[in-house]
Amino acid sequence: DADVTQTPRNRITKTGKRIMLECSQTKGHDRMYWYRQDPGLGLRLIYYSFDVKDINKGEISDGYSVSRQAQAKFSLSLESAIPNQTALYFCATSEGIHEQYFGPGTRLTVT
Amino acid sequence: AQSVTQLDSQVPVFEEAPVELRCNYSSSVSVYLFWYVQYPNQGLQLLLKYLSGSTLVESINGFEAEFNKSQTSFHLRKPSVHISDTAEYFCAVSERHTGRRALTFGSGTRLQVQP
Repeated sequence: DADVTQTPRNRITKTGKRIMLECSQTKGHDRMYWYRQDPGLGLRLIYYSFDVKDINKGEISDGYSVSRQAQAKFSLSLESAIPNQTALYFCATSEGIHEQYFGPGTRLTVT
Repeated sequence: AQSVTQLDSQVPVFEEAPVELRCNYSSSVSVYLFWYVQYPNQGLQLLLKYLSGSTLVESINGFEAEFNKSQTSFHLRKPSVHISDTAEYFCAVSERHTGRRALTFGSGTRLQVQP
C-alpha cells in the first residue's frame, strides 16, 4: 500500500461549489503539506502543518482552507471553487528537514 | 525569503549524451538544497540532497549535483542519459537554522531524452 494517499484522484466541479481533497499517510510523520502544480510554475505551497495543532499558510493560501484531523490526515478545502483553481494538487509529508514524500496527486478541474 | 530559478523549461537531449540542468537560488541565510524528479503521471520523489559536507552529491542512478556557494547554484548533471530519465526535474531549497521549514521549488525543467 502507498505511504501517502490522496482522494479523489480526479475531480471535475463547477464554479462556486465546495470541494474537499483528502490526504492520508502511514509514515508516522508529523509534518504535512499541500501544494498545487501548474505548468511552468512548479509547485507552490498552499498550507503546511508541523503537528495537529500547528497550521501555517503558504505562499498561495487565499481561497483555500485546511483541516488536520489527526496526525495521519490533512484535508484541503476550496470553499467556493473558481476556474483558476484548476490544477494538480499534491500532498506531502516529512520528518524534519529531510526528504518529503509525495502522494500521487489530485487533478482538479473547475468549470 | 528564498527563491529558486530554473532557467531551462525544457531540455531535449539524445540518449547517451551528457546533460546539465541548471538551478540557481537566492536566500539571505544558509540553505539546504534538493533535486526532485517527477515521472509522467506520478508524484515527486527525491533524487538527491545537499545538507552539509562534500559539495558534490550523487544519486543512485548516476545523477550528481554540486553546491557552489559563491555562484549560489546547484546544477544537476549526468554524463550519459537514458530514455528512462525522461521526466520533469525540480530544484528546491529550504533555509537552515529556522525552526519552521518548508521547501521552495523552482518552476521545473522537462528533460526529454530522444533515441
